[in-house]
Amino acid sequence: GQQVMQIPQYQHVQEGEDFTTYCNSSTTLSNIQWYKQRPGGHPVFLIQLVKSGEVKKQKRLTFQFGEAKKNSSLHITATQTTDVGTYFCAAPNSGNTPLVFGKGTRLSVIA
Amino acid sequence: DGGITQSPKYLFRKEGQNVTLSCEQNLNHDAMYWYRQDPGQGLRLIYYSQIVNDFQKGDIAEGYSVSREKKESFPLTVTSAQKNPTAFYLCASNGGQVGQPQHFGDGTRLSIL
Repeated sequence: GQQVMQIPQYQHVQEGEDFTTYCNSSTTLSNIQWYKQRPGGHPVFLIQLVKSGEVKKQKRLTFQFGEAKKNSSLHITATQTTDVGTYFCAAPNSGNTPLVFGKGTRLSVIA
Repeated sequence: DGGITQSPKYLFRKEGQNVTLSCEQNLNHDAMYWYRQDPGQGLRLIYYSQIVNDFQKGDIAEGYSVSREKKESFPLTVTSAQKNPTAFYLCASNGGQVGQPQHFGDGTRLSIL
C-alpha cells in the first residue's frame, strides 16, 4: 500500500529560527493534507494541497506540493513557542479508502 | 457546537478485560475512523466505517471490534486478545469522500493496570 515518509522525525530550534518538514511518496498523490497535534492534544487539520506545484500560505506557514505530486513541505518562518507540536502529512490511498498518515515531525522551540 | 466527543478521557483496563471506547459525532458525517497512536508514533488505522451498518478493517484490526448501528456513533471495543492495548486512541470523521480532511475527537488514553 501507499506510504508517506516524513522527515525529520524530530527538530529542535531556537525561537525565531525557521523550520521545515518534508513528506515524500513513491506514488503520485491526488492531494496531500497537513495536520498539527499539540502536546497532549488531537490532530487538527491545517490545509489541503491538490494542484501540482501548489503553494499556500497561512501567516508564517508555507505549504508546497511538488511538481510531480510526490512530495510536499511545510515551512514555518520565525518559529514561536506556540508552534510546538507534531506536524503530520496525510494523503488518500488509492481508491475510496482512508488517509495514510506520515509518522510526523515533532517540533520543539526553545525560548 | 458541532464536533466529535470521545469518552472517557482516561481508561484503565485489567488483564483479560474487554473495554469499550465511545465516539459520538454531531457533524452529520457519513464516515468515521479509529486510530491508535503510540508515544512518538504516527496514527495507525484500526477500523473505519463509511456508512451505517458497514465497516472495514484498517492496518491493525486484530484484537479490536467495532459497530456502526447509528450514523452518529462508532464505538471501539478493545478485547482481551489485544496484548498491548496501552495507547492513545483517536476517533475521527469526515464526509466520506476520498481525500476529505478528517475531524478528530480529543482522544482516550487507555492503560493496563
